[in-house]
Amino acid sequence: TQLLEQSPQFLSIQEGENLTVYCNSSSVFSSLQWYRQEPGEGPVLLVTVVTGGEVKKLKRLTFQFGDARKDSSLHITAAQPGDTGLYLCAGVNTGGFKTIFGAGTRLFVKA
Amino acid sequence: DSGVTQTPKHLITATGQRVTLRCSPRSGDLSVYWYQQSLDQGLQFLIQYYNGEERAKGNILERFSAQQFPDLHSELNLSSLELGDSALYFCASSVGQARYEQYFGPGTRLTVT
Repeated sequence: TQLLEQSPQFLSIQEGENLTVYCNSSSVFSSLQWYRQEPGEGPVLLVTVVTGGEVKKLKRLTFQFGDARKDSSLHITAAQPGDTGLYLCAGVNTGGFKTIFGAGTRLFVKA
Repeated sequence: DSGVTQTPKHLITATGQRVTLRCSPRSGDLSVYWYQQSLDQGLQFLIQYYNGEERAKGNILERFSAQQFPDLHSELNLSSLELGDSALYFCASSVGQARYEQYFGPGTRLTVT
């Protein structure tokens, strides 16, 4: 069974701090997606990474796909209260027919 | 706005009842996915349809069923409801199958009393 483990599960930081959240698996994925979900709403797609070692930037957010395509990280620079939410990673298996979601990292940024 | 619509937004019903949740995918998307999210839990994949056919099944209970219609909208039927079925139910759609990004609807909050 393929599993995606996210860490930390919960993170509470002050505005302006930097943070990194991780998404790890023992399985290889053909691609990996990051979503952000606010309370009571559906997840919103942030980015998709496909190539091992790929780095993508979205304003203050930097996403990296591991060289072996088994793990990924999300780094936020100078976090803001608006970054508060549940960050989910989702891996697509190598057959391309199944997406597996991690349990998420719940981020709270205090003003 | 993702372009995925779900109705109703809220649903309150009693144990033992049956409900139907509806989802309309983004224009042009052929795949529909259903997920369950309980309080403070991650997304649990239930089932996926692609162009009217079931393509993948997750941890979907036998009391639950779904279908995708020719116009590509989908319905999730939940029967013999139990208190533990109270959750947010999300529908997502994508252009093709799982390798494509999924776009989520706003969800239906089901409360079973």
